[in-house]
Amino acid sequence: DAGITQSPRHKVTETGTPVTLRCHQTENHRYMYWYRQDPGHGLRLIHYSYGVKDTDKGEVSDGYSVSRSKTEDFLLTLESATSSQTSVYFCAITPNRAGYGYTFGSGTRLTVV
Amino acid sequence: SQQGEEDPQALSIQEGENATMNCSYKTSINNLQWYRQNSGRGLVHLILIRSNEREKHSGRLRVTLDTSKKSSSLLITASRAADTASYFCATDAGGGADGLTFGKGTHLIIQP
Repeated sequence: DAGITQSPRHKVTETGTPVTLRCHQTENHRYMYWYRQDPGHGLRLIHYSYGVKDTDKGEVSDGYSVSRSKTEDFLLTLESATSSQTSVYFCAITPNRAGYGYTFGSGTRLTVV
Repeated sequence: SQQGEEDPQALSIQEGENATMNCSYKTSINNLQWYRQNSGRGLVHLILIRSNEREKHSGRLRVTLDTSKKSSSLLITASRAADTASYFCATDAGGGADGLTFGKGTHLIIQP
């Protein structure tokens, strides 16, 4: 999607290994979000950021950490991947919390074997 | 936990017909948004309606919001095959920086 890219698009990893997903934006938006999407659950918030080095936990943050050292990059790390973290991960951005829609990336499909 | 809940979970109609999807939510909101997701793609923002608005239009889309019933509806008129997708409502409770809360979606199939 224009202005926001996620990498990698697909990844297969083994249980117990660390994995880092990257979200990169060129819109200079302040707010960035990581969601996971699973059948039967819709989208659930993992972590979010409201500025450089400002991050907080979402609904399903256990087993995940994030970092934002630059406005344009928001990294999601699975510290020790488990099969329950097999999912599609989406990054989203928005310029302001007050009444703006989100722009989503194309997603990363992660499989933990 | 899920804030929005779409109904129906799946909907199949003929091309040219109108499609209506509903969303119910539990707590007070600042605004409610609708998104579309085509298979294997990211979500695309369709429309945002604020808590003090009752109806909003965008092209073939019409959204209503009833805050007293904590419900919203999305109407797609004159449906096309390209409208086949999943549709999600998302609520914004306002206040802090935490994100939108999404429902589980309605899967819409438009039969040619």
